[in-house]
Amino acid sequence: DVVMTQSPLSLPVTLGQPASISCRSSQSLVYSDGNTYLNWFQQRPGQSPRRLIYKISYRDSGVPDRFSGSGSGTDFTLKISRVEAEDVGVYYCMQGSQWPRTFGQGTKVEIK
Amino acid sequence: QVQLVESGGGVVQPGGSLRLSCAASGFTFISYAMHWVRQAPGKGLECVALISSDGSNKYYVDSVKGRFTIARDNSKNTLYLHMNSLRVEDTAMYYCAKDSMGGMDVWGQGTTVTVPS
Repeated sequence: DVVMTQSPLSLPVTLGQPASISCRSSQSLVYSDGNTYLNWFQQRPGQSPRRLIYKISYRDSGVPDRFSGSGSGTDFTLKISRVEAEDVGVYYCMQGSQWPRTFGQGTKVEIK
Repeated sequence: QVQLVESGGGVVQPGGSLRLSCAASGFTFISYAMHWVRQAPGKGLECVALISSDGSNKYYVDSVKGRFTIARDNSKNTLYLHMNSLRVEDTAMYYCAKDSMGGMDVWGQGTTVTVPS
């Protein structure tokens, strides 16, 4: 199975400041069709997960443009340009290039 | 609007069985693969099973192989998860989710399964 490793696991941030989460996979996520199926999800307290980013850098509908994804191969990053109060929650990366789909451990974002 | 509504969760003794359902609406159900994803209390997310759009291909995580069966009824826009030989470690919130671009773009609110020790 592909192991997804996130860092940091806890991220205290100041409102209005940027935040960055790293995700590394144990093997390349480039699929046979040339796409890299790397997703980012947000889970606010008490809510279901919500996808923010797919295929490394494509934002889902309705996702604010302060969220951006980047990376390639085995190294990926989610950035929040200016953290807002509603961004508090746990963020997960997930690979969709192999079965089983696997998630990172999660990064808890909280306001300082 | 696009919606997934899970049901069927509950408390079941170890070794027991349960069937979860997920009613889909607002999109063409037959066109999409579907997932079951679970989250143990206070823990992260785990993909449990995946079924192709026509139901012909099914995938399971190793920990549930031989015990869980994913199924769908495209005439009823409904996804199922049949769970047998339940274990304490199967205790979790179970979400159904719509597949899209190698991930899940729509999630239900979840249904809770508890297998007490």
